[in-house]
Amino acid sequence: ETGVTQTPRHLVMGMTNKKSLKCEQHLGHNAMYWYKQSAKKPLELMFVYSLEERVENNSVPSRFSPECPNSSHLFLHLHTLQPEDSALYLCASSQDWTTTNEQFFGPGTRLTVL
Amino acid sequence: GENVEQHPSTLSVQEGDSAVIKCTYSDSASNYFPWYKQELGKGPQLIIDIRSNVGEKKDQRIAVTLNKTAKHFSLHITETQPEDSAVYFCAASRQGYSSASKIIFGSGTRLSIRP
Repeated sequence: ETGVTQTPRHLVMGMTNKKSLKCEQHLGHNAMYWYKQSAKKPLELMFVYSLEERVENNSVPSRFSPECPNSSHLFLHLHTLQPEDSALYLCASSQDWTTTNEQFFGPGTRLTVL
Repeated sequence: GENVEQHPSTLSVQEGDSAVIKCTYSDSASNYFPWYKQELGKGPQLIIDIRSNVGEKKDQRIAVTLNKTAKHFSLHITETQPEDSAVYFCAASRQGYSSASKIIFGSGTRLSIRP
């Protein structure tokens, strides 16, 4: 498999559930990102990891908890979400986080919180 | 904080005609301006980018122009085809600084090509 993959592609969860989103990149990149994409709004950067170390956290609520066990995998753990958290969650990777040009995006996980 | 304004939010053009999408940015230190295309059910994909030391860049039917003084940049698609239908995002970032990969995206333009 090539590029950036995300699972699951669709997720419906209740506000009391706990779920995790998974991202894997097969590009040998050192940096990985989580974005939130809501309708008619710009992509919102949530977290940045460089070589498994979190380097950016954009005031994201604690009900979103990222985990980066190695440079190829990134998780987003979800718990006690709100309906307004429903969105497309995109994972991306890049060669590094300070000088690289292009970010490569996965297809996203469409999350619906009931 | 930094922001990127993108217009129009929706654009419909006849197949074969040209499409233009415009963006403005607020951070005068921005020096890298990528454009991403997002097709239905897929993540955004880079289609062209431009750096601040260049005023124009072209790749086949796609061109981007940059006016650093006015902090404007635009995407031009000529001879549009049905496969150009997608959502296009502009972005601005400061390459070479800390947090340089913190790209600021515009809100997107939904481009529809009428047959």
